[in-house]
Amino acid sequence: EAQVTQNPRYLITVTGKKLTVTCSQNMNHEYMSWYRQDPGLGLRQIYYSMNVEVTDKGDVPEGYKVSRKEKRNFPLILESPSPNQTSLYFCASSLFRRGTEAFFGQGTRLTVV
Amino acid sequence: GENVEQHPSTLSVQEGDSAVIKCTYSDSASNYFPWYKQELGKGPQLIIDIRSNVGEKKDQRIAVTLNKTAKHFSLHITETQPEDSAVYFCAEEMNRDDKIIFGKGTRLHILP
Repeated sequence: EAQVTQNPRYLITVTGKKLTVTCSQNMNHEYMSWYRQDPGLGLRQIYYSMNVEVTDKGDVPEGYKVSRKEKRNFPLILESPSPNQTSLYFCASSLFRRGTEAFFGQGTRLTVV
Repeated sequence: GENVEQHPSTLSVQEGDSAVIKCTYSDSASNYFPWYKQELGKGPQLIIDIRSNVGEKKDQRIAVTLNKTAKHFSLHITETQPEDSAVYFCAEEMNRDDKIIFGKGTRLHILP
């Protein structure tokens, strides 16, 4: 089944403790991205990747890192999480950068205390 | 700046009536405008999209219209059903960079 898989689905952590949210897609898509969803703010793009070893900042990149060592994986790294990073996070992938459907994962609800 | 304005933020319609959600985009060179539906506890899912060389597109009860001059695009749902209740997002695929900008979303309630 074609899908985008994120893990974990739920995570509660403490301020400053490094964490990684994994994202994997099995569709051989080139373009992958991370979004955060907050009430009243909609979906905001954090980082995106055009292909392996090619990543760039979205609208809200501060406090996040990503890597794209393999085509299928695009982990989101929070080196020193803070409470303002409490949010619902989505990973998405598209066949190409332009004009193609984005497939979203199920989401990761992160709480930083 | 890069921005997609989406209205209304909340919409309640009687079952069987029509619903319209409107978005305004910023970059006149943008040429791909998708609409996503997000059901409770799930990730967004594409329901329809439109490209700048087309003024309207239909898929059963769903249609999207695009006015390039005014930089508006709208989602139209006819004969609404309970399963249409969800949050809907419009999006603009920026032409000048590789970003995708989403509207803030519309929560649609279908009343019985």
